[in-house]
Amino acid sequence: TQLLEQSPQFLSIQEGENLTVYCNSSSVFSSLQWYRQEPGEGPVLLVTVVTGGEVKKLKRLTFQFGDARKDSSLHITAAQPGDTGLYLCAGGPYGGSQGNLIFGKGTKLSVKP
Amino acid sequence: DTAVSQTPKYLVTQMGNDKSIKCEQNLGHDTMYWYKQDSKKFLKIMFSYNNKELIINETVPNRFSPKSPDKAHLNLHINSLELGDSAVYFCASSRLGPGRGYTFGSGTRLTVV
Repeated sequence: TQLLEQSPQFLSIQEGENLTVYCNSSSVFSSLQWYRQEPGEGPVLLVTVVTGGEVKKLKRLTFQFGDARKDSSLHITAAQPGDTGLYLCAGGPYGGSQGNLIFGKGTKLSVKP
Repeated sequence: DTAVSQTPKYLVTQMGNDKSIKCEQNLGHDTMYWYKQDSKKFLKIMFSYNNKELIINETVPNRFSPKSPDKAHLNLHINSLELGDSAVYFCASSRLGPGRGYTFGSGTRLTVV
C-alpha cells in the first residue's frame, strides 16, 4: 500500500513568517499535486509537478518534487492570514490508473495577523 | 457557472434510510470520482467513472452504488445508512492522463442519526 506522509500535521504561525510543509513516501510517484482546502469547501488544485527535481513557483509559494520522485515540499514566504487552510499533497503512482490518486492526511495551517 | 456542483450541501437522515447525492460537472472532463473525507480530514477514493465505465472500486460496502446517467453526471446512492457513514462526501472530475488535476465540488456533509 502506497502512503503519503505529511508533516507537520498542524502549524500555527504569525503573519510574515516563512514555513515549509513536507510530503514523503517510500514509493515513487509519476506526479505530485498540492491542494488547499478551506472549511466547508472542496480541495482546490495549486500545482502539479511531474519531473524529478522540478521546482514551481506560484507567487509566494514554492513547490519542489524530489529527485527520486518520492517526496515533495511546499514553502510559503511571508505567510499571510489568507494562506490559512488545509494543505493536501496527492500522488499519482506509476502504473496506476488516473483515479488512483493517493492523498496525504494534510497539514492544517493557521496564520495569525 | 459552478464547475463541479453537488447536492445537497447538507444531509441529515436516520439510520436505515436510503439516500442519494447528485453530482454534475460542466468542464467536459472524462472521469468523475467520489471521495469520502473523514473527521480527521483524510480523503479516500470510493469510485471513479470513465465514459460510463467503473474503473476503480475501492473496498467500500456494497450499500454504496455510483450511478452515471451520462458523462457529466455521477450520482452516489447509499442504502441502509449506518452511523459510520457520517462524513463529508466529495465529487470530483478530471481529464484522462497522468498528472491531471482534479476539480472538486464543495462537498456534502452527511450526518446519520
